[in-house]
Amino acid sequence: GQQLNQSPQSMFIQEGEDVSMNCTSSSIFNTWLWYKQDPGEGPVLLIALYKAGELTSNGRLTAQFGITRKDSFLNISASIPSDVGIYFCAGQLIGGSQGNLIFGKGTKLSVKP
Amino acid sequence: DAGVIQSPRHEVTEMGQEVTLRCKPISGHNSLFWYRQTMMRGLELLIYFNNNVPIDDSGMPEDRFSAKMPNASFSTLKIQPSEPRDSAVYFCASRPVTEAFFGQGTRLTVV
Repeated sequence: GQQLNQSPQSMFIQEGEDVSMNCTSSSIFNTWLWYKQDPGEGPVLLIALYKAGELTSNGRLTAQFGITRKDSFLNISASIPSDVGIYFCAGQLIGGSQGNLIFGKGTKLSVKP
Repeated sequence: DAGVIQSPRHEVTEMGQEVTLRCKPISGHNSLFWYRQTMMRGLELLIYFNNNVPIDDSGMPEDRFSAKMPNASFSTLKIQPSEPRDSAVYFCASRPVTEAFFGQGTRLTVV
């Protein structure tokens, strides 16, 4: 089946540092979504991307839809302790079933104050 | 809007018992999904419905799992009989078109 490769699996950073994570695939996607999951909660949508090359910001978060349609990046600037959590990418395949989003395995972010 | 509502939040049951998880999607969303999350396998799609009709149930692990959506505002995921390996967090999500909105999940523990 289709897979998304999300990296890194985990990150330990100092408060104030910038964070980068990405998702890649051999398949082509028409939508990329980035979610954050806090402990004991469901994933919450952060950013949605719909066009190749699109760059979208949400506060300190910036995400990009790769030109090849096979990848996406999420950057967090000036991290703070509440950024701790697991970040997931999700992609909707071109030509795929309209219902199915494919999720990456997640990037677990830890922030040291 | 209250968002996607799942119940119960936590369920502890004995092996062999029937378990029913419930979900109320966001009003107006025409697609509903059931996911299972474990440390080993991450988020796995179990089944999804479009306009109350099951479209893809290929992720349902085995016949012990069944899901229904009798109307646009309610869905259930049933496990009968439950086994310890079913222990996980089960999420329901709904979508208007593309973006999926998740409930808070049900943490199931089968002992």
